[in-house]
Amino acid sequence: QSVLTQPPSVSAAPGQKVTISCSGSSSNIGNNYVSWYQQLPGTAPKLLIYENNKRPSGIPDRFSGSKSGTSATLGITGLQTGDEADYYCGTWDSSLNWVFGGGTKLTVL
Amino acid sequence: QLQLQESGPGLVKPSETLSLTCTVSGGSISSSSYYWGWIRQPPGKGLEWIGSIYYSGSTYYNPSLKSRVTISVDTSKNQFSLKLSSVTAADTAVYYCAREQFPNWFDPWGQGTLVTVSS
Repeated sequence: QSVLTQPPSVSAAPGQKVTISCSGSSSNIGNNYVSWYQQLPGTAPKLLIYENNKRPSGIPDRFSGSKSGTSATLGITGLQTGDEADYYCGTWDSSLNWVFGGGTKLTVL
Repeated sequence: QLQLQESGPGLVKPSETLSLTCTVSGGSISSSSYYWGWIRQPPGKGLEWIGSIYYSGSTYYNPSLKSRVTISVDTSKNQFSLKLSSVTAADTAVYYCAREQFPNWFDPWGQGTLVTVSS
């Protein structure tokens, strides 16, 4: 059981928008930055969002992040088939531990 | 462009020690801004942070693995290494190394290496 809770799966049609939630507590999300990672099939995770809502160079603005209280959300607009992947949220926890969500599988129908 | 590459045995026997090395290229492991971390992913499952190290040798570990983990750094070779002792089948996973900006993010990641624990 992961410390951060994500929905196991989400789906939407090409061109549509989807959001992925990540729920934690005051010991992690509530007091630390959240990062998001995209893991395409058979590849390593890739940083998508850092410090709650910032995009690394090269990440399109179709991807966005937000945080409110002890929850964070990843948003993806203009869905493409190439966005099909597993998405993970991660943050630091006061138990002196990095924690990740269980991952959300995005299907673009 | 910074790149990380994991290397080490793909098969380890139960009760033995898993040893992996991460080689950093395109940048210096001695950068004062970053830590260097190990994360693993059991087949079909999520990510689990193992531990991280600073170029000075300062480390911090996942409390659940701390008794079995040792991470070290060799700045002359631009490498850092992982040792996980007394392994069991539950330690079978893809092991990734990554640059870490503590405590904010991991980027980039190595391609990962599958380690199977089996006799």
